[in-house]
Amino acid sequence: EDQVTQSPEALRLQEGESSSLNCSYTVSGLRGLFWYRQDPGKGPEFLFTLYSAGEEKEKERLKATLTKKESFLHITAPKPEDSATYLCAVNTGFQKLVFGTGTRLLVSP
Amino acid sequence: NAGVTQTPKFQVLKTGQSMTLQCAQDMNHEYMSWYRQDPGMGLRLIHYSVGAGITDQGEVPNGYNVSRSTTEDFPLRLLSAAPSQTSVYFCASSPTPRDRQFFGPGTRLTVL
Repeated sequence: EDQVTQSPEALRLQEGESSSLNCSYTVSGLRGLFWYRQDPGKGPEFLFTLYSAGEEKEKERLKATLTKKESFLHITAPKPEDSATYLCAVNTGFQKLVFGTGTRLLVSP
Repeated sequence: NAGVTQTPKFQVLKTGQSMTLQCAQDMNHEYMSWYRQDPGMGLRLIHYSVGAGITDQGEVPNGYNVSRSTTEDFPLRLLSAAPSQTSVYFCASSPTPRDRQFFGPGTRLTVL
């Protein structure tokens, strides 16, 4: 059974305190791994797509990396506006996305 | 572009009532999908469509119907609402299943 697990469930950081979020997956065939950001009361907003092990993508303070078993979302010197829930999803090749339960990030000033 | 739009934003139903959640996109995307989001469960796929006239079931299809008569619209129908269908519903679209999905703002549904 395809599974996506995110850790930690919640993370509290001080402004400027860098950290990483983890997304581990066991799927029959990886056709892409996606990171989304979700603010309260809103729909998920796309951040990155990674397709193969070793691939990295960066956007402002965020950097996503991918191995054969997991992906990391690195947050460098976060700001309060980075507070959100970060979702990881895997395309298993059957026209379906399998989502993790997300990591709730709170960045305090 | 309005992107993906959903109506209504909030809805309260009584057990046994029926209703349709509306979803529309103006990006000419072939792939559209419906998800429900529950606390601690993550987003789960209900139904999806790869083009007008083509739909298929996702992970949790029971109690829901869909149809896709146009590229733009993908309504989700609850035939007889149950309290277990209380959730937040998101519609999404993308050019192909492998591309990133664009999500709507969601519909918060409560079934009493």
